[in-house]
Parts: sequence; C-alpha cells; structure tokens
Amino acid sequence: AQKVTQAQTEISVVEKEDVTLDCVYETRDTTYYLFWYKQPPSGELVFLIRRNSFDEQNEISGRYSWNFQKSTSSFNFTITASQVVDSAVYFCALSLSTNAGKSTFGDGTTLTVKP
Amino acid sequence: DSGVTQTPKHLITATGQRVTLRCSPRSGDLSVYWYQQSLDQGLQFLIQYYNGEERAKGNILERFSAQQFPDLHSELNLSSLELGDSALYFCASSGGLESYGYTFGSGTRLTVV
Repeated sequence: AQKVTQAQTEISVVEKEDVTLDCVYETRDTTYYLFWYKQPPSGELVFLIRRNSFDEQNEISGRYSWNFQKSTSSFNFTITASQVVDSAVYFCALSLSTNAGKSTFGDGTTLTVKP
Repeated sequence: DSGVTQTPKHLITATGQRVTLRCSPRSGDLSVYWYQQSLDQGLQFLIQYYNGEERAKGNILERFSAQQFPDLHSELNLSSLELGDSALYFCASSGGLESYGYTFGSGTRLTVV
C-alpha cells in the first residue's frame, strides 16, 4: 500500500519569505509518479507538477521549485518570495505505475501568506 | 475554467435520500475520476472510468455507484445518504488510462441533513 505524509498541517509566512512544503511518501513499487496540487480558497484543485520515479532532476518553474530525493522518499515544494496569492492548501499525491489512474493524496498543508 | 464541468455546485438533501452528481470531462479526455474530500478523511479516491469502462476502484461504499456514458460524461449516484456522506465531491479527467496530472472540476458540495 502507498502512503503520503505531509507533516506540516499549517504554515504561516510573511510575504516575500521563502517557504518549503514537505512531502514524504511510502511505496514498495519502483515505478511511481508524484504530484503537487494547489487548492486556493475558491476550492478548485489545480495541478502543479508531475514527476516520475526515474527522474530525480529538480525542477523550477518561476517562483516554484521541487526537490525530489528518492533516498529519503521526499518530494518537497519550495515557493520563493511568497505572495499573498500563494495562500492555499497544497496537496502532494502519489500514483503507482500498476494503477496509474488512482492517486493517493496527503492530508495537505495550509499555507497562509500574510502581507 | 478547467474544462471539467460538475453539476450541481451545491446540493442539500435529507438522510436516506438518493442524489446524482454529474461530470463532463475536458474535451478529448477519456478518463474520469471521482474523489471525495471531507474534513476527517481528506481526499479519497472513489472510482475511475476510462472510455465507458470501470478501471480502478477505491474505497467506494456499496451505496455509491458510478457510470460513464458513451458521450464520456459520468454520473456518481449516492443512495441511502447518511450525515457522514456530507463532503465535497470532485470529478477529474485525464487523457488516458494514467494520470499525467488531473484536471479537476470545481466540485459538488453535498450536505446531508
């Protein structure tokens, strides 16, 4: 069985601070996919990134960056120079190649960015 | 607008009743997924359909059922509703069998009273 743990329930930062959201996953499979989603106060879920288990390259997209480390089973998400609009619940998710349609989600981290 | 349409947005119903939630996937997507989001359970996978056929099943209660129609829209039927079924129900779609990243609808908020 697979599991995703987001130990940080809530994080509060002041605008322009950098913030890292942690994600630790568990699976015995060697081929899997990791995701991050954002759920702003409006409620919709927005896909941010997908990573497969064979690609440990870090990725940067604007102010967002992701650090994937298989050795520690972690897929952390960093927001640089945070903005008020980054306030949302962020979910990390895991899919296995054997059942790639189904994603197991973590409980989410609520990020509040204060002006 | 994500391209995934869910109706209705809100639904209030009494215990014991039956409701149907509807989802139209993004144009061209063949897979439809249903998720339940509640405060105590978080986001839980319910079921996946691909091109009309059931492909994966999660912890979906026997009182719940779903189907995907030839035009690819999907319906989630919830019957004998209980207070604990109150939740946000999301539909998502993706192009193929596996998810390269879901496109979610805006959800249906179900309140059972």
